[in-house]
Amino acid sequence: SQKIEQNSEALNIQEGKTATLTCNYTNYSPAYLQWYRQDPGRGPVFLLLIRENEKEKRKERLKVTFDTTLKQSLFHITASQPADSATYLCALSLGGGSQGNLIFGKGTKLSVKP
Amino acid sequence: EADIYQTPRYLVIGTGKKITLECSQTMGHDKMYWYQQDPGMELHLIHYSYGVNSTEKGDLSSESTVSRIRTEHFPLTLESARPSHTSQYLCASTRQGAHTEAFFGQGTRLTVV
Repeated sequence: SQKIEQNSEALNIQEGKTATLTCNYTNYSPAYLQWYRQDPGRGPVFLLLIRENEKEKRKERLKVTFDTTLKQSLFHITASQPADSATYLCALSLGGGSQGNLIFGKGTKLSVKP
Repeated sequence: EADIYQTPRYLVIGTGKKITLECSQTMGHDKMYWYQQDPGMELHLIHYSYGVNSTEKGDLSSESTVSRIRTEHFPLTLESARPSHTSQYLCASTRQGAHTEAFFGQGTRLTVV
């Protein structure tokens, strides 16, 4: 069955360090992969989208890589701040007849300590 | 802040009651979705719509039903609530076109007692 795994349920890092979150998937060939941020009790907020033919995408302190051979995406937050503390969700974007539908991982809860 | 709104934010209701969760968006998006999320778990798609009078079931089987009579409105109904329906329900919308970002509402936290 299709499966998305995010490397750990929780990640604790010190302020100023780079946070690296991993998203692995099996039995699926997504054309697109998206990352979202979710704060407690709120809906997810879109951060970045990367296409299968793109190796890397950047937005301010955020960087996403996409390796379709390894079936893996890495999400980096550089110079992390306590305000970056949240749960980060990886989502695969479906194609074909289900275009636009997303399959989500469970998320990684990031805590940035001052 | 996304222009997609869900009401109520929190709902505690007794078993057997009929409930409707409201979702409205002002972005003119054709595609709308309902996801269900339990604490610490992934979002699961339960319903989606590609436009007016279009509704489809998602990957996760749900006893709820949806309707899409107007572009901006996508309500979800449970005819007879049960404790197993206790969860967070998230509504989302996307622009037309493939693989665009999803805009989510704040969610409705439903508790059935």
